[in-house]
Amino acid sequence: AQSVTQLDSHVSVSEGTPVLLRCNYSSSYSPSLFWYVQHPNKGLQLLLKYTSAATLVKGINGFEAEFKKSETSFHLTKPSAHMSDAAEYFCVVSEPGRRALTFGSGTRLQVQP
Amino acid sequence: DTAVSQTPKYLVTQMGNDKSIKCEQNLGHDTMYWYKQDSKKFLKIMFSYNNKELIINETVPNRFSPKSPDKAHLNLHINSLELGDSAVYFCASSQDLAGSYNEQFFGPGTRLTVL
Repeated sequence: AQSVTQLDSHVSVSEGTPVLLRCNYSSSYSPSLFWYVQHPNKGLQLLLKYTSAATLVKGINGFEAEFKKSETSFHLTKPSAHMSDAAEYFCVVSEPGRRALTFGSGTRLQVQP
Repeated sequence: DTAVSQTPKYLVTQMGNDKSIKCEQNLGHDTMYWYKQDSKKFLKIMFSYNNKELIINETVPNRFSPKSPDKAHLNLHINSLELGDSAVYFCASSQDLAGSYNEQFFGPGTRLTVL
């Protein structure tokens, strides 16, 4: 069975400082991993995806994530936060052949001016 | 130009009513999904259709009935609405690649409020 744990329900950073959103996963197979972002009252947008190619994945808006199999982690980072990054972020896992995505509980990112 | 669209965006109704939410995708995908996001933002799969055939049906009350008239549409009909049905419902689509990863594209969501 696959599962995802987002270690922080809420993260607050100052504008211009680094962002780290933590995610650990559990999977019986070689999973695919995703980060989605949801801005207030909006739908879900794919930030980046890992699909067993390079372990360091670059996404949109300056975000990146590193797949670490030994730590079963897929943390999301950004060197410098922007006010527009304030949103809910979801770490998501998918196993080959299993169509449904399994979502983490979400991390709310707050960016202070 | 919207890839995955849902109607309506907001739906407010009384307990006991029957309502439908429509979803359409213009991406040419063969698989569509319904997810429910509760008040704590937790997202969970409800149903999935592949080429108009039901392939995933999680533990959802049978008051919820998905209908797929064609590959581009997946509608969600809910009978006898209850307070606990209040949530945001997201439609998604993907192209089913056997043995491969599954990138899904989401609609904007439908916020259902049951009074």
